[in-house]
Amino acid sequence: SQQGEEDPQALSIQEGENATMNCSYKTSINNLQWYRQNSGRGLVHLILIRSNEREKHSGRLRVTLDTSKKSSSLLITASRAADTASYFCATRNSGNTPLVFGKGTRLSVIA
Amino acid sequence: DGGITQSPKYLFRKEGQNVTLSCEQNLNHDAMYWYRQDPGQGLRLIYYSQIVNDFQKGDIAEGYSVSREKKESFPLTVTSAQKNPTAFYLCASSIAASGAGEAKNIQYFGAGTRLSVL
Repeated sequence: SQQGEEDPQALSIQEGENATMNCSYKTSINNLQWYRQNSGRGLVHLILIRSNEREKHSGRLRVTLDTSKKSSSLLITASRAADTASYFCATRNSGNTPLVFGKGTRLSVIA
Repeated sequence: DGGITQSPKYLFRKEGQNVTLSCEQNLNHDAMYWYRQDPGQGLRLIYYSQIVNDFQKGDIAEGYSVSREKKESFPLTVTSAQKNPTAFYLCASSIAASGAGEAKNIQYFGAGTRLSVL
């Protein structure tokens, strides 16, 4: 079962602009993670935010979490062509269960 | 060079044939996972293993089988019962499958195996 749903499904922006992707989920979580996938490759972990955190930064990435709305957003500032990839949110529910991934947002950054 | 190695990169299956995808990790992780990814779709969990000699079915286990005889290895067999096997298969590992510790359930992925049917 897929817990997270990313929005939009696809996003195209110019280099230098900011990119915002959203993730909604259904059940209570322990943490939420964002991963990146270049075309035809495996996923790479970007950032993890715990359920008791509201915002987290890592370089040009900013993640927010609103547990009351069961949603998260990933902001990439000053985007570069190399940021072109698919971005997935993944949630881990309470209990002894593995991560559940959403369907992803395909980001295209045009130089 | 630590990480997860999947082989082969490309695999072709004839009808009625079983094929096995290899996944090896040298990260000393307890938990390993197999996912299937169809074009433009997210990841769907096939099987996962939290410890040697134990594994659990994921959301789409039918037509697949796994074994976990060694900590480093978690091979996936796509059996002839899987009627639509064409997909991109990803293997991952993590320190543990559960636990609230931040590092424990970050997953590390291999480069994937693309399986096609002849």
